[in-house]
Amino acid sequence: GENVEQHPSTLSVQEGDSAVIKCTYSDSASNYFPWYKQELGKRPQLIIDIRSNVGEKKDQRIAVTLNKTAKHFSLHITETQPEDSAVYFCAASGAGGGADGLTFGKGTHLIIQP
Amino acid sequence: EAGVTQSPTHLIKTRGQQATLRCSPISGHTSVYWYQQALGLGLQFLLWYDEGEERNRGNFPPRFSGRQFPNYSSELNVNALELEDSALYLCASSGGLWYTDTQYFGPGTRLTVL
Repeated sequence: GENVEQHPSTLSVQEGDSAVIKCTYSDSASNYFPWYKQELGKRPQLIIDIRSNVGEKKDQRIAVTLNKTAKHFSLHITETQPEDSAVYFCAASGAGGGADGLTFGKGTHLIIQP
Repeated sequence: EAGVTQSPTHLIKTRGQQATLRCSPISGHTSVYWYQQALGLGLQFLLWYDEGEERNRGNFPPRFSGRQFPNYSSELNVNALELEDSALYLCASSGGLWYTDTQYFGPGTRLTVL
């Protein structure tokens, strides 16, 4: 089945700087890659997703890039703000029409230093 | 539009007991996914239901089971509870069978096994 590796596990950046979180996946048939943000005690919230027919997608300060050849995708957050502090999870959908659910990385704890 | 809801918020059981967790999907969504979020392990796919049928399950023992009702709500049952079943159980819903549909998460049920 699919395996997703996520790095780093903890990332501390100064407010206003950029943050980058990287994920690799194993199943070359995967073609949907969402990113979720989970604040302490709250549900995971989708912040951006990308499908395999595009290489990059942006939404204001957040962008995701996908390299299908290398089987990795990254989340980029620019001009970080205190409210960006949270745990971020990447995920990939396995082949088989949804049968495998989403396979998640283990998460990155993003800390924004004032 | 109401989001995914789950009940109860917290559940405390003792080893060997059974736990029942409930999920109501977003109106119009037919797919319900269950995930286990144990400390330090990220989100692990448990079960997928669509149109009342169990479509697939993750790498969990048979004592994890569930069902989906005609109104698309779902129930997760965990029999013969073990201490390591203590976790946050998240339900997500999406529309239809196509696996690239976005999954929206509920707030979760915190299960504690003593």
